[in-house]
Amino acid sequence: QVQLVQSGAEVKRPGASVKVSCKASGYTFTNNYIYWVRQAPGQGLEWMGIINPSDVTTRYAQKFKGRVTMTRDTSTSTVYMELSSLRSEDTAVYYCARDREAAASDYWGQGTLVTVSS
Amino acid sequence: DIQLTQSPSTLSASIGDTVTITCRASQTILRWLAWYQQKPGKAPQLLLHRGSVLESGVSSRFSGSGYGTEFSLTISSLQPDDFATYYCQHYKNYQYSFGQGTRLEMK
Repeated sequence: QVQLVQSGAEVKRPGASVKVSCKASGYTFTNNYIYWVRQAPGQGLEWMGIINPSDVTTRYAQKFKGRVTMTRDTSTSTVYMELSSLRSEDTAVYYCARDREAAASDYWGQGTLVTVSS
Repeated sequence: DIQLTQSPSTLSASIGDTVTITCRASQTILRWLAWYQQKPGKAPQLLLHRGSVLESGVSSRFSGSGYGTEFSLTISSLQPDDFATYYCQHYKNYQYSFGQGTRLEMK
């Protein structure tokens, strides 16, 4: 069965970087794009960007350009999202999701809480 | 960037009611709109894609319509498990975005 399993919670200082992983299983890793969404406490969903695991092309939301980097490791079927220059407003649960192009996203990771605090 | 505006932000209803949530896009997105349900502490769950296509395993009490810039999600015969937050999402050209969400609460 398809699964996206994310890495565990992180606590970071302002100005630091965080790298969250999303390990895919149960399907051919390079067949589907994966994207990242975050959700601040009590707030809505915010789309961050998307990566094509097949050729590593990425597209980022304008808000995060220059601060976010999405990469992948095909040997472990894992996608990574790194966010730099963290500030308190980046405190959120970060989700990865499998994209099916015309059919939207059917599988999501369990979420990773990133807390930015001094 | 394409902006999605959902209304209402909060909706109060009773078991058995039929409710409708709307989602307006700032420019045409053809049919590239999905609806998700999210419960506290959980990841979103896909309900419909391409505006009106019901995801496998989702109750037929959920239905969607719309094209271009105006879309709606209708939930008929509300059940206790339906009280949650609902989001629309456009997924066109790999620059996606979400509406701000509609919280469906029990009256």
